[in-house]
Amino acid sequence: AQSVTQPDIHITVSEGASLELRCNYSYGATPYLFWYVQSPGQGLQLLLKYFSGDTLVQGIKGFEAEFKRSQSSFNLRKPSVHWSDAAEYFCAVTTDSWGKLQFGAGTQVVVTP
Amino acid sequence: DAMVIQNPRYQVTQFGKPVTLSCSQTLNHNVMYWYQQKSSQAPKLLFHYYDKDFNNEADTPDNFQSRRPNTSFCFLDIRSPGLGDAAMYLCATSRDWGEAKNIQYFGAGTRLSVL
Repeated sequence: AQSVTQPDIHITVSEGASLELRCNYSYGATPYLFWYVQSPGQGLQLLLKYFSGDTLVQGIKGFEAEFKRSQSSFNLRKPSVHWSDAAEYFCAVTTDSWGKLQFGAGTQVVVTP
Repeated sequence: DAMVIQNPRYQVTQFGKPVTLSCSQTLNHNVMYWYQQKSSQAPKLLFHYYDKDFNNEADTPDNFQSRRPNTSFCFLDIRSPGLGDAAMYLCATSRDWGEAKNIQYFGAGTRLSVL
């Protein structure tokens, strides 16, 4: 069955430290991959996407993600987190002709001073 | 700025009392989606419109309906809300061609409470 797994439900990180959020997928073909961020009480904002080409993609807010086909992973990273990065992060995948997204369960990021 | 706008941001209704949530967009996208997101869960697709064509997810309850009178507006109707329907409802849009059809733009959501 197709699935998207975010192994970490909750991550706490100190402000200024690096952050890595994990995402693994199980699909028959290479899917389109996305990371979205959701601040409390808000909708989802697209951070970055991977369709093809360079496997290291840059996004907004200083985030980047690396697609590793051999590991079926699309991990999100940020070298130095800011307090405003505290939010829920969703990895999402689609292969559907209408772009139907399948979301992971999300990772809640808490940033401490 | 072009965007997806959901109104109201917060809606309180009574058990069994019909409620309508609205979504408008200035992106001129042909595809519109409605998601339900319960607390600490991922968004779950309820249905989507490709232009005027309505596409219901197999597990979306009959209690949930939708209308799209024109390209810009889409409504979510909950005919008889139950306590289990309390959630954040997210509207999203996308283009309908090329790789862009895979990029969805979300509104800020409407948080529905059922008393």
